[in-house]
Amino acid sequence: EIVLTQSPATLSLSPGERATLSCRASQSLSSCLAWYQQKPGQAPRLLIYDASNRATGIPARFSGSGSGTDFTLTISSLEPEDFAVYYCQQRCNWPPITFGPGTKLNVK
Amino acid sequence: EVQLLESGGGLVQPGGSLRLSCVVSGFTFDDYAMTWVRQAPGKGLQWVSAISGSGGSTYYADSVRGRFTISRDNSKNTLYLQMNSLRADDTATYYCAKDTADFDCWGQGTLVTVSS
Repeated sequence: EIVLTQSPATLSLSPGERATLSCRASQSLSSCLAWYQQKPGQAPRLLIYDASNRATGIPARFSGSGSGTDFTLTISSLEPEDFAVYYCQQRCNWPPITFGPGTKLNVK
Repeated sequence: EVQLLESGGGLVQPGGSLRLSCVVSGFTFDDYAMTWVRQAPGKGLQWVSAISGSGGSTYYADSVRGRFTISRDNSKNTLYLQMNSLRADDTATYYCAKDTADFDCWGQGTLVTVSS
């Protein structure tokens, strides 16, 4: 089973700042990694697929990068609605499909 | 507009059973695999099970294999999750998701609580 670790667990930033979230895999994933955003009381929303492709309707301030075992989600300039929990997910080697434990992005 | 609507959650005693349903609209249901993902209260996301578009292939997490059964009725645009021998650690919100190698559309979730 591929284990995903995310860092930091919690990130406190202010609107307008740049956010950098990390996801590390226990084995190489090539580029088959996705990122999701989840707000309280809501279902997750797909942000990025195949490591660097924005899903439909996702603003350009969200970008993904990386390959192999190290991946990054960057939010270039935080908007108030971006404060949420972010999960990475892999299905390169499945089952099982696995998620990271999440990074909670808080308002500073 | 793509919509997924789960139902069937509720309170059940340990050892009991529940069947979840997910009715979908807005896309050609049998063209897509479907997945169930769950989230325990205050916890992260856990993949539970997936099924191919035809229903001919099914996949399970180790924690539910042998207790849960995923199925679909393509004539009714409906996905199911039959859950038997439920345990306290199955308590979670269960989401269905359209599976395109990633989960691009999700339902709102249905809460399953396993408690005596």
